[in-house]
Amino acid sequence: QQPVQSPQAVILREGEDAVINCSSSKALYSVHWYRQKHGEAPVFLMILLKGGEQKGHEKISASFNEKKQQSSLYLTASQLSYSGTYFCGTGYTDKLIFGTGTRLQVFP
Amino acid sequence: ETGVTQTPRHLVMGMTNKKSLKCEQHLGHNAMYWYKQSAKKPLELMFVYNFKEQTENNSVPSRFSPECPNSSHLFLHLHTLQPEDSALYLCASSQEAGGPDTQYFGPGTRLTVL
Repeated sequence: QQPVQSPQAVILREGEDAVINCSSSKALYSVHWYRQKHGEAPVFLMILLKGGEQKGHEKISASFNEKKQQSSLYLTASQLSYSGTYFCGTGYTDKLIFGTGTRLQVFP
Repeated sequence: ETGVTQTPRHLVMGMTNKKSLKCEQHLGHNAMYWYKQSAKKPLELMFVYNFKEQTENNSVPSRFSPECPNSSHLFLHLHTLQPEDSALYLCASSQEAGGPDTQYFGPGTRLTVL
C-alpha cells in the first residue's frame, strides 16, 4: 500500500530543475507533499485533490493524475534552501500513507 | 513552527530506564499520531488516537506504551528499550483520523538507547 517515490535521490546545482514522482497501487483521494530538513520536522508543502489539479508554492508546483494514481512534484530554478527529503503522503478514504522519500541535495 | 511541540528534543537512555516523550498540539485537532523514523527508512506509523481513543496500533512492541489524556496531549512511555529502538520519534496531529486529512508534525525527539 505504501506509495513508491522516484528517484530515491537527486543532486542538483543551484538553478537546475527536478521532478519527483509518487505512485500508488490504489485509487487516490488526495496527495500531500512534505519536505523534511535534516533533524527537523516534516513540513507540509501542499495538498492536491483528485481532478488533475495542479498547484504551486513559490517555485515548487505539483500535479495529480487521478487516473494514473500518481503525482509529480516540480522544483524549478532550485535554491540551496530546497535541500532536504521530500515525502508524498497518499490519501485514501480511510488513511494517509507516506512514501519512502526522495533525498534532494542542492549545491552552489 | 507547525503548532505541534515535542519534548524532550533529545534523549539518551539505558535499556533499563523508563522515560516518557511528550507531544502537545495547539491546532484544535482531534487526532494525534506517533511515528518512528529510522535512518534511511520511511516513516513508520506506530499509534493513532482519535478523540482520545486509540484507533490503531501497528504491531508495536509493548515496551512502547502510548497515553492520550485529551485531544491536545499525547505521551509515549518507554521502558526496557533495545538499541534498535534508537530513532527519531515524530508526533503529528490532524483534524480527524480515519481519513486523508493533512497531518502536521512536531520537531521530533531524537532517541538513543545505549
